[in-house]
Amino acid sequence: DTGVSQDPRHKITKRGQNVTFRCDPISEHNRLYWYRQTLGQGPEFLTYFQNEAQLEKSRLLSDRFSAERPKGSFSTLEIQRTEQGDSAMYLCASSLPIIGTTPHNEQFFGPGTRLTVL
Amino acid sequence: SQQGEEDPQALSIQEGENATMNCSYKTSINNLQWYRQNSGRGLVHLILIRSNEREKHSGRLRVTLDTSKKSSSLLITASRAADTASYFCATAQNSGYSTLTFGKGTMLLVSP
Repeated sequence: DTGVSQDPRHKITKRGQNVTFRCDPISEHNRLYWYRQTLGQGPEFLTYFQNEAQLEKSRLLSDRFSAERPKGSFSTLEIQRTEQGDSAMYLCASSLPIIGTTPHNEQFFGPGTRLTVL
Repeated sequence: SQQGEEDPQALSIQEGENATMNCSYKTSINNLQWYRQNSGRGLVHLILIRSNEREKHSGRLRVTLDTSKKSSSLLITASRAADTASYFCATAQNSGYSTLTFGKGTMLLVSP
């Protein structure tokens, strides 16, 4: 399967614990995105990487959240001191590079990691 | 924050009927995209329409864009039970258009 993969698919944790999610994008995609989706809502942008550089971060990304993409391939999203409000589906997506004035390319999404904080 | 708002929130139709979903947004855009999400396959890109385009077709899908009204519509013709899913519009803004802003979605149920 050459699509975007995420691990784990489900995570149940207790409040106050740290969790880390992994995303493996499509290999030739240099752009990687993290989104959060809660029930009944559309995905909300969290952060975005171009290669290993984190270029944009949403105000939703509090200081308890940190994302990395050390070698420009896979990415990790860590949530420290989890809170019940962090319960959501965390989605990763990747896309091809934008060249010149080429419109934004479609994003390919992974299956998501569903986080439940008890 | 959500930029787009889809209308209706939920839509129930019979197989073979057409389904129309609308999306309104607030700021100027570079392009608008529609995605489908179901429990089996996650979010899947359907179609992209640029800000200088007014209509686009892909198979049974037809998308229109009216930038003066900041609105878009997605028409699915001859619907099938397999079209049952949530449909989201997502906008890429003119500045920093590398990220997408999604609406809350329309839940479509197609009954056999």
